[in-house]
Amino acid sequence: AQRVTQPEKLLSVFKGAPVELKCNYSYSGSPELFWYVQYSRQRLQLLLRHISRESIKGFTADLNKGETSFHLKKPFAQEEDSAMYYCALSEYGGATNKLIFGTGTLLAVQP
Amino acid sequence: DVKVTQSSRYLVKRTGEKVFLECVQDMDHENMFWYRQDPGLGLRLIYFSYDVKMKEKGDIPEGYSVSREKKERFSLILESASTNQTSMYLCASTPQGLGVSNQPQHFGDGTRLSIL
Repeated sequence: AQRVTQPEKLLSVFKGAPVELKCNYSYSGSPELFWYVQYSRQRLQLLLRHISRESIKGFTADLNKGETSFHLKKPFAQEEDSAMYYCALSEYGGATNKLIFGTGTLLAVQP
Repeated sequence: DVKVTQSSRYLVKRTGEKVFLECVQDMDHENMFWYRQDPGLGLRLIYFSYDVKMKEKGDIPEGYSVSREKKERFSLILESASTNQTSMYLCASTPQGLGVSNQPQHFGDGTRLSIL
């Protein structure tokens, strides 16, 4: 079955602490993985995608095909990182760009 | 910048009413999607459309239908609203994939629908 699992509903850290938001997937084809973020009172937006291999707002994520994981990491959390984060996957090269979303993790960065 | 506009931010309707949620995008995207967003359940795909008058069921289509008469507009219809359809509804669009890296989805602000 095609599935994205985010085991943590809530992750609370202090400002300056490292952050790791976990994401595991189950997919039979060739997946493309994404992280989407929703800040308070803002629309859902793309944060980063595995194929870009870039750091956005200090966040990175590496696709580990052996462990079927795509964890989101940041070495030093900031209060403005507080948001809901969704991991999602799509079939690479698919015509519809249809996404399968995880259940989301709420990141709360305490001052 | 891609603009996906949902007609209402908040909507209150009564059980049994027929409800229309409208979504318009301005980037000539082929693909459009309707999701519902519920705490603890994430985003679940209701329907999507890959061209005018073309549609496919998502994971939770029961109780919903859609209409895509024009490329820029994708409507979600609750045929007979029920209280368990109280939720946040998100519309998204993306261009057609071309066999290469997927294009990200662009989302609207959402419509918070309450069914009383």
